[in-house]
Amino acid sequence: QQQVRQSPQSLTVWEGETAILNCSYENSAFDYFPWYQQFPGEGPALLIAIRSVSDKKEDGRFTIFFNKREKKLSLHITDSQPGDSATYFCAASARGTGSKLSFGKGAKLTVSP
Amino acid sequence: EAAVTQSPRSKVAVTGGKVTLSCHQTNNHDYMYWYRQDTGHGLRLIHYSYVADSTEKGDIPDGYKASRPSQENFSLILELASLSQTAVYFCASSEGDTQYFGPGTRLLVL
Repeated sequence: QQQVRQSPQSLTVWEGETAILNCSYENSAFDYFPWYQQFPGEGPALLIAIRSVSDKKEDGRFTIFFNKREKKLSLHITDSQPGDSATYFCAASARGTGSKLSFGKGAKLTVSP
Repeated sequence: EAAVTQSPRSKVAVTGGKVTLSCHQTNNHDYMYWYRQDTGHGLRLIHYSYVADSTEKGDIPDGYKASRPSQENFSLILELASLSQTAVYFCASSEGDTQYFGPGTRLLVL
């Protein structure tokens, strides 16, 4: 049972455009939502994260928008660069679960120059 | 920054054979995890550990055992490897909420 869902599975944007990756979840106990970025042949690495007490988290060109009522969040990548081409995973965890993360299936982003 | 290393980086195993994947971390993190990654499935948690000499089942533990002999080392053991266990395996450690992943081990079971 997939607790974290991502859409689209793949996305292609032109350099300079804004890429939007979506995520939704089922478990109301989830309160921490990291996004991980993975390049081919490497392990995932934390990109940006948000807690459920916030509705927005920004870090440079990367912004998470969070809607607790609808159990949805999205990652916006502004001014997309070819170097942003990677797979992005949305994940979630609940307090008291020992930092256990539930991952979505991932979204492959391709930024064309 | 946390350093997590895995060995081997790739392995070919025969069906029914025993496979041991090793993970080593150098930042004194309490938690360590084993995930498998398959195309279309994302990352799925197999086993994890929050202290040496203790392991916990994750979401897909069947067919796998884990061992945490020290804080730094965490192994994943496939006693009887099967074709369905062909995948990329990632180890991670965490301090607080952030998990730090190793580079992965690509396992092919023939």
